[in-house]
Amino acid sequence: AQSVSQHNHHVILSEAASLELGCNYSYGGTVNLFWYVQYPGQHLQLLLKYFSGDPLVKGIKGFEAEFIKSKFSFNLRKPSVQWSDTAEYFCAVNAPGAGSYQLTFGKGTKLSVIP
Amino acid sequence: KAGVTQTPRYLIKTRGQQVTLSCSPISGHRSVSWYQQTPGQGLQFLFEYFSETQRNKGNFPGRFSGRQFSNSRSEMNVSTLELGDSALYLCASSFNSGIAKNIQYFGAGTRLSVL
Repeated sequence: AQSVSQHNHHVILSEAASLELGCNYSYGGTVNLFWYVQYPGQHLQLLLKYFSGDPLVKGIKGFEAEFIKSKFSFNLRKPSVQWSDTAEYFCAVNAPGAGSYQLTFGKGTKLSVIP
Repeated sequence: KAGVTQTPRYLIKTRGQQVTLSCSPISGHRSVSWYQQTPGQGLQFLFEYFSETQRNKGNFPGRFSGRQFSNSRSEMNVSTLELGDSALYLCASSFNSGIAKNIQYFGAGTRLSVL
């Protein structure tokens, strides 16, 4: 079974600071990787995904993530955060080769951006 | 296109009661998954339905059950409620073929409080 760990529970940044949220997964086979965001009072939304190909993927709202297979990592980045990025961010993985599309989530990282 | 719709949005129940939650997937999506979100355990997979059949099940007791109807709408039921069942229950739907079947779209959730 796969597992996901997110290194930071709560990150506090000032506007315009750069962001990097760590995500590591454990699974020996092929995985699909996702970052979801949950804004206060809203539903989970897909930020970006990686299935195959270029390990640097771009998502919505200026976010990007890099898949490093050797490190089992899929870190989320944004060069300059805005107050509106305040939200909780979840890294997730599924392993379709195992016949399952269910998502395994990390515990989430709460991002607070100070104006 | 309407998103994933979950009803009701809020529920208050007492220990020992049972509860039924409903989920209408995005039109054309035939796979429906359920997740439980709590502050302590994060997001955990409950089960997935496809074409009225349970395809995958997470590690939850038998008090948690679900079903899917021919129109892809899904319900989940929790019997003999316990205080620890208080959580946000999320439903997600996905398309049933191609690479899109890996992408899950989430509803706003039903917040269940057990007193």
